[in-house]
Formats: sequence, C-alpha cells, structure tokens
Amino acid sequence: EAQVTQNPRYLITVTGKKLTVTCSQNMNHEYMSWYRQDPGLGLRQIYYSMNVEVTDKGDVPEGYKVSRKEKRNFPLILESPSPNQTSLYFCASSPNVSPDTQYFGPGTRLTVL
Amino acid sequence: DQQVKQNSPSLSVQEGRISILNCDYTNSMFDYFLWYKKYPAEGPTFLISISSIKDKNEDGRFTVFLNKSAKHLSLHIVPSQPGDSAVYFCAASADGNKLVFGAGTILRVKS
Repeated sequence: EAQVTQNPRYLITVTGKKLTVTCSQNMNHEYMSWYRQDPGLGLRQIYYSMNVEVTDKGDVPEGYKVSRKEKRNFPLILESPSPNQTSLYFCASSPNVSPDTQYFGPGTRLTVL
Repeated sequence: DQQVKQNSPSLSVQEGRISILNCDYTNSMFDYFLWYKKYPAEGPTFLISISSIKDKNEDGRFTVFLNKSAKHLSLHIVPSQPGDSAVYFCAASADGNKLVFGAGTILRVKS
C-alpha cells in the first residue's frame, strides 16, 4: 500500500530534550516536506527537500533540523524543544519536484512541557 | 501576513444541499490552487485543483471556481453528504514552488 508513515504518532516530552520524528514514504517520491498545523494558522511549512541531500527552509524553520540521506526518509529533528513547538506535525511527499498534489502522513501530535 | 485566507472558520449545511467554501489570496504570483480535505486523526488528502489558466474545474460532486481578478476561489460540493464533514484547506503555489495553506474551514453536513 502506498503511504507516508510517521513515528511516533503521539509524543509528550520536556523542554530541552532532543527528539526525532521519523517520516518514511514507499512511493519513490522526490519531494518531501514537513508542516506544522496550529489553530487559526493552518499548515505552515517547516522544511522541504527536492531530492536526496537537498533540503531548504520553509516558512517556520527556527528550532528544527532535517536530513535527507535516503530518498524514502525525511526525519524532523528538534534539538532543544520548547513549549511553542507544541503542535500537530505532518510529513508529506510528492511524486515530482513540485509540491502539487502532496500525500500526507497521519500526523504526529507533539506536546512540549 | 497570511497570503491565503479562509475567512469562515466553520460552515454547517443540510444533507443534499450545496456547500460553498471560500478562499481568498493576496499573492498575484500564485498560479496553481488546490483543496485538501482532512478528517480527524488523519493527514490531509488531496481533493481537487485548478490552474490559473482555467476558471473552473469539476470532479464529480466537487467543483472549484477561480476568479483571478478578485483573487478568490471557491469549492462547491453538490449534493453535500454527511461523509463530507471534515476540515477543508485551500492551498496555493507559485511557479511550482512550495504550497501555502489557508487556516481551514470546518464543514458539518447535517443529516
């Protein structure tokens, strides 16, 4: 089954404790992206990647890191999480370098205390 | 400054009637527009899109209208069904670059 998977789905952590949210897609897509969804703000892009070893900042990259060592994986790293990073996070992938028609993962609900 | 705005946080419609969801944008460079639907505890799923060279695109019960002069697009769902109850996000891109999303509209279809 073609899908984008994220792990964990739910995470409660404390300020400053490094964490990684994994994202994997099995569709051989080139374009991958991370978003956060906050009430009243919709989805805002954090980072995106057009191919292996090619990443770029989105609209809200502060406090986040990403890597794209393999085509299928695009982990999101929070080196020192803070409460304002409490949010719902979505990973997405697209079959070409355009972000049109992205396929989204199920989301990761992160709470930073 | 939100470039894509969905000014109605929620909409309630009777089953069988038409649902109209609206979206306004400010960036005249946007040339591709999409609607995504999101159910609780799931990621958004692509619904329908429209290029700026068109003013209408139809797919079954879903039709998207684009008014470039007004920088406005709308999604029409006819007839509305209870299974259409979800959050609907409008999104736009310029020259194949990143998507910019609106805040979403919660649609409730009452049976």
